[in-house]
Amino acid sequence: EPEVTQTPSHQVTQMGQEVILRCVPISNHLYFYWYRQILGQKVEFLVSFYNNEISEKSEIFDDQFSVERPDGSNFTLKIRSTKLEDSAMYFCASSEVFEGQPQHFGDGTRLSIL
Amino acid sequence: GEDVEQSLFLSVREGDSSVINCTYTDSSSTYLYWYKQEPGAGLQLLTYIFSNMDMKQDQRLTVLLNKKDKHLSLRIADTQTGDSAIYFCAENNAGNMLTFGGGTRLMVKP
Repeated sequence: EPEVTQTPSHQVTQMGQEVILRCVPISNHLYFYWYRQILGQKVEFLVSFYNNEISEKSEIFDDQFSVERPDGSNFTLKIRSTKLEDSAMYFCASSEVFEGQPQHFGDGTRLSIL
Repeated sequence: GEDVEQSLFLSVREGDSSVINCTYTDSSSTYLYWYKQEPGAGLQLLTYIFSNMDMKQDQRLTVLLNKKDKHLSLRIADTQTGDSAIYFCAENNAGNMLTFGGGTRLMVKP
């Protein structure tokens, strides 16, 4: 069964450094998402992306964050200048269409900011 | 704003049925989802239900939706030790943004 893959599984970065999290969505999916889960808290929506532009974003997704689909397969989340509070599990998801079709999630990247 | 609530913990014996409950606040949600998370793994989609349905059955899983009370439940029949995991309910709102509950940790005792 096709799946969403994320790399790396664990990323350790110094505060203030830039980090890029990578995702390969399911190949025939058109909508892509990032969520995060801070330890002990709920999974939170960050951003959705379609047709090479952001569809929706939450309050969390401020100017420090950006997303990109650099080629036909990858979908990336960049955090420009990381803060301690960015430490979390980041999940990528994709879906075939927008409303109704379920989102399929990757295994996540655990980001640790030192 | 939208909120989804679940109880934190459920313990059952192997072979019994498990019922995991969820309440949500957004009456405009069109779909509600159940995801399973095993240790160290991502969110695995288990099942989902359209808001105009009351019930959906998929093998050992039964989803019940009470739209009036904004209550969703997931019943797992003949629960196995492999069902031990965290179960998240989620609703979609404002397009396809998912709002998740905090997760229910299901422990299955042999």
